[in-house]
Amino acid sequence: DAKTTQPPSMDCAEGRAANLPCNHSTISGNEYVYWYRQIHSQGPQYIIHGLKNNETNEMASLIITEDRKSSTLILPHATLRDTAVYYCIVSLRAETSYDKVIFGPGTSLSVIP
Amino acid sequence: DAGVTQSPTHLIKTRGQQVTLRCSPKSGHDTVSWYQQALGQGPQFIFQYYEEEERQRGNFPDRFSGHQFPNYSSELNVNALLLGDSALYLCASRLGGIPPYEQYFGPGTRLTVT
Repeated sequence: DAKTTQPPSMDCAEGRAANLPCNHSTISGNEYVYWYRQIHSQGPQYIIHGLKNNETNEMASLIITEDRKSSTLILPHATLRDTAVYYCIVSLRAETSYDKVIFGPGTSLSVIP
Repeated sequence: DAGVTQSPTHLIKTRGQQVTLRCSPKSGHDTVSWYQQALGQGPQFIFQYYEEEERQRGNFPDRFSGHQFPNYSSELNVNALLLGDSALYLCASRLGGIPPYEQYFGPGTRLTVT
C-alpha cells in the first residue's frame, strides 16, 4: 500500500503558484520523497526528489518539513500544460540499492485559464 | 522524450490468450520495472529486473512473468489473460547503484482483453 496521502483533486489559476501537499508520516530516515506527474494518456514523468533539504529544479520546488512527515510540491507559475495527476512517492527500500516504487492515487491538478 | 520505448502501442487479445509486451530502456540504464495501470488508478508495481534477474515483485500472480536480455531490454509476458488484465502497461528504466533513483517511463502499451 502507498505510504503517502494526497488530496484527490485541486484547482489552480493559470499563472499562479500551485502548491500540492503530501503526507508521509511513516517515512523512515533513509527514504526519499519523489514526485512524478502523469499527463493524460502518457507515461509518468519524474519531477523532483528530496531527502531532508528543500530542493528546486527547472520544473518545481520541493519543500520538506523538518520532521519529514510531509512535503509540498510547488509549481511557481502554473500553465495549462501542468494539468496532470501528480504522484508523491516514498521509496520503499527492500534491500540496499533495491526499491519498490508504490504509486498512490495521486492529486489531479486542473489549471484553469 | 524520456528515451524509453515500448511496443506495441495498442493490443487487443481474447480471454485465455497469452501476450508479450516489449520495452527498450533509456540508453545507459540497466534496471527495468514494469507497472500495470488500470483506468483511473495509479500505476501498480509488477516487478523489477536487474542483471537479467527478477529482483523485486509486487502482488501479481505467476501468470505475469518477465525477462531481461543482455542489452537490458525487457519483456513482460501474461498468460491465461483475464478481462481484468485490461490496462495500460508501463515500463520504466533507471540506472542501478545507490539511491536516489530517477525513473524514466515509456508511453505504455494499452492492452484490451475481450
